[in-house]
Amino acid sequence: TQLLEQSPQFLSIQEGENLTVYCNSSSVFSSLQWYRQEPGEGPVLLVTVVTGGEVKKLKRLTFQFGDARKDSSLHITAAQPGDTGLYLCAGYSGAGSYQLTFGKGTKLSVIP
Amino acid sequence: DTGVSQDPRHKITKRGQNVTFRCDPISEHNRLYWYRQTLGQGPEFLTYFQNEAQLEKSRLLSDRFSAERPKGSFSTLEIQRTEQGDSAMYLCASSVSGPDTQYFGPGTRLTVL
Repeated sequence: TQLLEQSPQFLSIQEGENLTVYCNSSSVFSSLQWYRQEPGEGPVLLVTVVTGGEVKKLKRLTFQFGDARKDSSLHITAAQPGDTGLYLCAGYSGAGSYQLTFGKGTKLSVIP
Repeated sequence: DTGVSQDPRHKITKRGQNVTFRCDPISEHNRLYWYRQTLGQGPEFLTYFQNEAQLEKSRLLSDRFSAERPKGSFSTLEIQRTEQGDSAMYLCASSVSGPDTQYFGPGTRLTVL
């Protein structure tokens, strides 16, 4: 069973601060996806990373896929209250895979 | 541009009753997935369809759970003889093909009393 460990589990910061959340595994993933989920709603896709070492930016969010494709990070610059939510990473373990394996998520609260 | 839709959004039922949830995927998406999410956890894979064929169902939680996608479009997930432990968010997702980015619906929140 492929496992994804996310850290920290909870994060509470002031508006304007920067933060990084991590997604780690001992297994190689062919691709990794980051989602944000708000209470009572389904996960909303933020980004998919496929190539080892890949960096993608989405406004104030920067996503990185580790060179060995075993880990990923999400960095938020100048966090805003609208960034509050549960951030989930999920990955496919190999070609032909159909099952996304999810981490438990990082619950972010940005205080105005 | 419509995304994945699920119905109902909330369901409250008594223990022992049967419930059925519906998922309408994004049109042109061949793959449809069901997940379950409990409090404090990430979504957990249950089953998936390629068009109308159910290609993986070994992860369904028990024989009380079943899913169908009769015409390769919408899908239903049925839970028979519900138990309190079935209380969770049931999520549906779809993708063009696999492995590919999965897009999730808003979920159905089930509460079993």
